[in-house]
Amino acid sequence: QSALTQPASVSGSPGQSITISCTGTSSDVGGYNYVSWYQQHPGKAPKLMIYDVSNRPSGVSNRFSGSKSGDTASLTISGLQAEDEADYYCSSSTSSSTLRFGGGTKLTVL
Amino acid sequence: EVQLVQSGAEVKKPGESLKISCKGSGYSFTSYYIGWVRQMPGKGLEWMGIIHPGDYETRYSPSSQGQVTISADRSISTAYLQWSSLKASDTAMYYCARHNSGLRVIDYWGQGTLVTVSP
Repeated sequence: QSALTQPASVSGSPGQSITISCTGTSSDVGGYNYVSWYQQHPGKAPKLMIYDVSNRPSGVSNRFSGSKSGDTASLTISGLQAEDEADYYCSSSTSSSTLRFGGGTKLTVL
Repeated sequence: EVQLVQSGAEVKKPGESLKISCKGSGYSFTSYYIGWVRQMPGKGLEWMGIIHPGDYETRYSPSSQGQVTISADRSISTAYLQWSSLKASDTAMYYCARHNSGLRVIDYWGQGTLVTVSP
């Protein structure tokens, strides 16, 4: 099982917006509205940021938003802040009753 | 407050066995799948498998099937990840993770257990 496809890195300046893509197939991202996004700071456990494509858990800033079109999901972070610098991973349920992660994207805030 | 507390770091030799644990609290342990996620040094997250403590149903990723065993003891709200013969390539951080609504989302993570396998 290969990972969902994410860009290796993205960058943006404080205050700007960035978007991270997550591409799968009709057997995962395209087939279910069960895409999640996680933020991981170095040396820390991942943290849930978005679930069910576009829902934010309580306590997550509304600067984070998610969407999906076909086999590609996206995470957008608006009003970039220094503390947003981290690795971001998408995940999706699959038709094989498993969970698949993306390869991860390193966000650098310039 | 939901908490998943994992056992401490381990240093083992190739061929040795190992069982690491994850204790859940603050929620009904038997109502949610709990699973394991591997992160090799400098690499991404890999889903390994899950167990439902209510009926002990287990599922594994194709790459983990036959390589590890996931189990649980609902009487002490604890899940386990076990190896019978470790390899150097098992060196990684292992996170336990509570899955909500089946496999829709991982909503809570343990702090991680670092496993180092070295001769």
